[in-house]
Amino acid sequence: GAVVSQHPSRVICKSGTSVKIECRSLDFQATTMFWYRQFPKKSLMLMATSNEGSKATYEQGVEKDKFLINHASLTLSTLTVTSAHPEDSSFYICSARERGIMYNEQFFGPGTRLTVL
Amino acid sequence: KNEVEQSPQNLTAQEGEFITINCSYSVGISALHWLQQHPGGGIVSLFMLSSGKKKHGRLIATINIQEKHSSLHITASHPRDSAVYICAVFYGNKLVFGAGTILRVKS
Repeated sequence: GAVVSQHPSRVICKSGTSVKIECRSLDFQATTMFWYRQFPKKSLMLMATSNEGSKATYEQGVEKDKFLINHASLTLSTLTVTSAHPEDSSFYICSARERGIMYNEQFFGPGTRLTVL
Repeated sequence: KNEVEQSPQNLTAQEGEFITINCSYSVGISALHWLQQHPGGGIVSLFMLSSGKKKHGRLIATINIQEKHSSLHITASHPRDSAVYICAVFYGNKLVFGAGTILRVKS
């Protein structure tokens, strides 16, 4: 299947700093990318849907000024956690859907574990 | 009530056993994903299906659109199959996830 990478896989930062997470589709073009957050022993929570070249669509309750999403190209989307706080510590997972058929398969990245001290 | 219900929530099996995980959903969907997540790890897509049955190695997934039900079967289970298995359905343009089934296969 298609490969989605995330970088970094782990990051530890101090409270108040900003952290950028990259999500790349390695062997396909992704018009749509999704950012999820996962709490321990919980299922994935959709944060936002990112379409190439347009503004991201955020889910209710997700602060768009805190979680900045940029989908600058068909193979790259970034999530920036601004002014991170300990409650932002979580496992962040991106997913990409291949350009073309709307209900095509979604491929998931390996996740980024963020720890804010 | 969740739109996607999985059962069982937890499952412990002996190595070699045949395993079935069930998923029921209450909304009209276009396709369904079965996903696997190992502890502390990322998510792997096992299957996407919209009708019938798919097989990959020891894994089999079936779906009955009329009954809004899907099953994931693992034949000849192995300890390396221990993971969380998640059913997710395409509803609109988004995936809606079940709570997951925690599978532990003992040797």
